Amino acid sequence: QLQLQESGPGLVKPSETLSLTCTVSGGSITSGTYYWGWIRQSPGKGLESIGNMYYSGRPSFNPSLRSRATMSVDTSKNQFSLSLTSLTAADTAVYYCARLTNWGIEQWGQGTLVSVSS
Amino acid sequence: DIQMTQFPSSVSASLGDRVSITCRASQGISTWLAWYQQKPGKAPKLLISSASSLESGVPSRFSGGGSGTHFTLTISSLQPEDFATYYCQQAISFPHVTFGGGTKVELK
Repeated sequence: QLQLQESGPGLVKPSETLSLTCTVSGGSITSGTYYWGWIRQSPGKGLESIGNMYYSGRPSFNPSLRSRATMSVDTSKNQFSLSLTSLTAADTAVYYCARLTNWGIEQWGQGTLVSVSS
Repeated sequence: DIQMTQFPSSVSASLGDRVSITCRASQGISTWLAWYQQKPGKAPKLLISSASSLESGVPSRFSGGGSGTHFTLTISSLQPEDFATYYCQQAISFPHVTFGGGTKVELK
């Protein structure tokens, strides 16, 4: 059974860079036609797609975050990662990694809370 | 960007009630629409894809309909485990996806 697990710091200072990693188990990140991505949810708010990518392709980002976000895939570790620069309090959120298909998001990580505070 | 608007933002209902949630797209998306259920502290769960296809294991009291710009999620008889927040998501511009603002189903 496929599982996704986010890892990264729970607390980041304003203006710093957030780095998160998603480890995929129970299946290969290179199999199928799945995309791998990040979605966040600010406290008490709705869902916001950050970006996603095919393991061998270029990432696609939410236009509102494109200038600050990068993504990469490490097939040897079956992981994918997100970097988000110039953090502010508005970036405080639960960050989910997920496996996307063109009919829906079937698999989600459990989510990791990232707080931006000095 | 395709904007997704859900309403109502919250609905109060009793056990056994029929509940309907609406999702509107800012432009036509055919049936490229998914619905999710999210409970507090948990990741969303995919309920319906392609506007009306129930995912495996999802109770038949859930149904989805619509096409183009107007979609609905209906719970035919509300059960205790259905109190949650529901989101729609457009997939026509995959891999770029956008979500509706959510509808919270609460106990009256």
